[in-house]
Formats: sequence, C-alpha cells, structure tokens
Amino acid sequence: KNEVEQSPQNLTAQEGEFITINCSYSVGISALHWLQQHPGGGIVSLFMLSSGKKKHGRLIATINIQEKHSSLHITASHPRDSAVYICAVRRASGGGADGLTFGKGTHLIIQP
Amino acid sequence: NAGVTQTPKFRILKIGQSMTLQCAQDMNHNYMYWYRQDPGMGLKLIYYSVGAGITDKGEVPNGYNVSRSTTEDFPLRLELAAPSQTSVYFCASSPELNEQFFGPGTRLTVL
Repeated sequence: KNEVEQSPQNLTAQEGEFITINCSYSVGISALHWLQQHPGGGIVSLFMLSSGKKKHGRLIATINIQEKHSSLHITASHPRDSAVYICAVRRASGGGADGLTFGKGTHLIIQP
Repeated sequence: NAGVTQTPKFRILKIGQSMTLQCAQDMNHNYMYWYRQDPGMGLKLIYYSVGAGITDKGEVPNGYNVSRSTTEDFPLRLELAAPSQTSVYFCASSPELNEQFFGPGTRLTVL
C-alpha cells in the first residue's frame, strides 16, 4: 500500500463546479504539499501546510492531522484548472530533509 | 531570477552510455533534490543535498551519482544507462524545509 493515496485518480467536471481532491497518508509527517503539474509537464507548488487551512484565490487546502487526511478544493472551476494535482508529504522522521513522498496524482479535466 | 534550470530538456541514450543531467538554481537555496517520474507513478526521490559538499541517498539511488560542489549546482550522473532509467527527471530546490521549486524536467529515453 502506498504511503500517500489520492482520490479520485481521474476527475472530469463542468466549468463552474466545486472540485474536491482527497489525500490520505499513513506516516507521521511534518508537512503536506499540494502541487500542480501542467499538461506541459512543469510542476508548481500550490500549498505547504502542517495544520488547519490555507486559501489562495479559488484554491483551498485543508489538513486534519489526527485523521491523516487533506483535501484540495477548487471553487468556480475553469478549464485552465485542468492539470494533474499531486499530494506529497514530508516525513516527520529523518529530520525532514530527505525529500517528499508523493501520491500518484489526480488528473483533473474541466470542460467548458 | 531564472529559478531552477535543467539541461538538457530531452535526451536519448544507448544502453551502457553515460551522461550528466545538469541542474542549477539562482535562489541561494541550501536544499536540492533529484526526483524521477515514471508513467502512472508518483515522483520518487533519487538523491538530495542539504548544502554544498553534503549529499545523501533517497528512495531509488541505484545507478545514479550526484555531487554538490557549489550551492548553485547539483548534477546527476548516470554511469551505465539502462532501459529502467527511462523516465522524466526533475530537479528541485527549497529554502530550508519549505516549499520546493521545480525545474522544467529532463525527458530521458534509454534504448
């Protein structure tokens, strides 16, 4: 079983819909990251969070440390939001410098 | 600032050949990472560095080597290329244990 699981793997929605992508993890963490990978392949960091909730524009990320679960929400979705969204965690062990452990990503398509 | 740059963007290697994937950052970040991304799989950590002169193995280091002689550069060396090393390679850097900045990636095919 992967240490970081995302659901759904694929999601197709209509423009304007509210989108939720889920991430569950099985290890102790010091931080959780949400990343966006564009169709061209580039990867951009969206959020890093260790507790609570963060918001940036139409994107909201939440984390529940006790339940080992995080969600990424997109409000008023737009075709330009079409991308792969990746959840990644920094383990609490090893000082945290040893990189991130990644989920397989959620492929999101927003249709006009 | 250019951010994190990687060269080359694409490369085809024959089995047994060697090559170096270049990675440079101009943000004065101490932490640098090499990841590989295979189709349908999450990114996996190959090697990382917490500062010049310090490197350590990640999850999948076999077949690779790294060096970190300066803060800016973190090259990844493939000594004897194998088909299993066909992948997209991403370099990333971060200011301490913070968000990571990714390079554009190098798509490598070993035939």
